[in-house]
Amino acid sequence: TQLLEQSPQFLSIQEGENLTVYCNSSSVFSSLQWYRQEPGEGPVLLVTVVTGGEVKKLKRLTFQFGDARKDSSLHITAAQPGDTGLYLCAGEGGTSYGKLTFGQGTILTVHP
Amino acid sequence: DAGVTQSPTHLIKTRGQHVTLRCSPISGHKSVSWYQQVLGQGPQFIFQYYEKEERGRGNFPDRFSARQFPNYSSELNVNALLLGDSALYLCASSGGGYTDTQYFGPGTRLTVL
Repeated sequence: TQLLEQSPQFLSIQEGENLTVYCNSSSVFSSLQWYRQEPGEGPVLLVTVVTGGEVKKLKRLTFQFGDARKDSSLHITAAQPGDTGLYLCAGEGGTSYGKLTFGQGTILTVHP
Repeated sequence: DAGVTQSPTHLIKTRGQHVTLRCSPISGHKSVSWYQQVLGQGPQFIFQYYEKEERGRGNFPDRFSARQFPNYSSELNVNALLLGDSALYLCASSGGGYTDTQYFGPGTRLTVL
């Protein structure tokens, strides 16, 4: 069974601070995706990383895929209250076709 | 273009009842996946359908079933509801390729009393 361990589970910071969310597994994934989910809505895709060692930037968000394609991180620079939400990592490439394996999520709260 | 739509938005059932949840994919998408998201956890994969055929199944009991229609919309059925089935049920659509991005709908919030 493929598992993704996401940490921390909760993060409460002040506006302007930096933060990093980690996503780790003992399994190799063909790709890893990061989603953001608002209350009452479905997850919205932020980025997909495919190549080991790959780094992608999306404005103040930096995503990295581990060299062995087993782990990933999301770094937010100068967090803003609008970044508040649930962040989910999801790996693709399991034994069940088309299945995304999700981490348990990180609830981020950015205080003004 | 409309995104993935799901109905109903909210649903309250009692233990032992049956429920049907519906999903319409993005126009042009041929694949639909279903996920269960229990409060405080990440979504868990239930099924994926492509061209009306089941293409993947997660670790859920036989009380859970689904189907896909010729217009690519899909239904998720859950029989003999248990309290533990209370969750947000998410539908995602994609083009059908193995690495195609999955786009999620807003979900159906099911409460079992």
